[in-house]
Amino acid sequence: DAGVTQSPTHLIKTRGQQVTLRCSPKSGHDTVSWYQQALGQGPQFIFQYYEEEERQRGNFPDRFSGHQFPNYSSELNVNALLLGDSALYLCASSWGGQSGANVLTFGAGSRLTVL
Amino acid sequence: GEDVEQSLFLSVREGDSSVINCTYTDSSSTYLYWYKQEPGAGLQLLTYIFSNMDMKQDQRLTVLLNKKDKHLSLRIADTQTGDSAIYFCAEAWRALTFGSGTRLQVQP
Repeated sequence: DAGVTQSPTHLIKTRGQQVTLRCSPKSGHDTVSWYQQALGQGPQFIFQYYEEEERQRGNFPDRFSGHQFPNYSSELNVNALLLGDSALYLCASSWGGQSGANVLTFGAGSRLTVL
Repeated sequence: GEDVEQSLFLSVREGDSSVINCTYTDSSSTYLYWYKQEPGAGLQLLTYIFSNMDMKQDQRLTVLLNKKDKHLSLRIADTQTGDSAIYFCAEAWRALTFGSGTRLQVQP
């Protein structure tokens, strides 16, 4: 059973460009969350998608947008890249119907470098 | 606001116990979590505790929660070199809020 898969694993962009990162959730999961992890820091919540809609959002500017498709996969888009957007972007999936603990399964991440 | 703090680094010898500490601020957190991150990998959930519990034990892992002081700890018994990693505590009322992580180094 494949877990959460993310692509690409590494990419390099220049300031002002746009980037799209992709995530396929674990089988049976319908909710996708995105996190940004800067070097030496803990992950920070960007947003969460459920039923193809953004359900929650963290403290990130509108340059960060996302999408969820009918097959539950998701994309994270970042426009007008800044040097400070360089980070590991983590996707996590879960089942929206779970009660109790918010158990997330994380992918290995996409490492974005902005030059 | 939400804030989770951890010490940055812990070094122990193989076979000793490790204790990683965490403080949090959001009293509305219903669950608190411990995650492990190895180099080049995503986060792996180790364990979690419901906020009305004081302690949870899971094999070599023991989680202690002091809700009054908003203090959470993770004890790893018989620490092995394979336990070397970064450990994150996280609180959640809605989305997870992570600390900055504690790097655990296990010396043979």
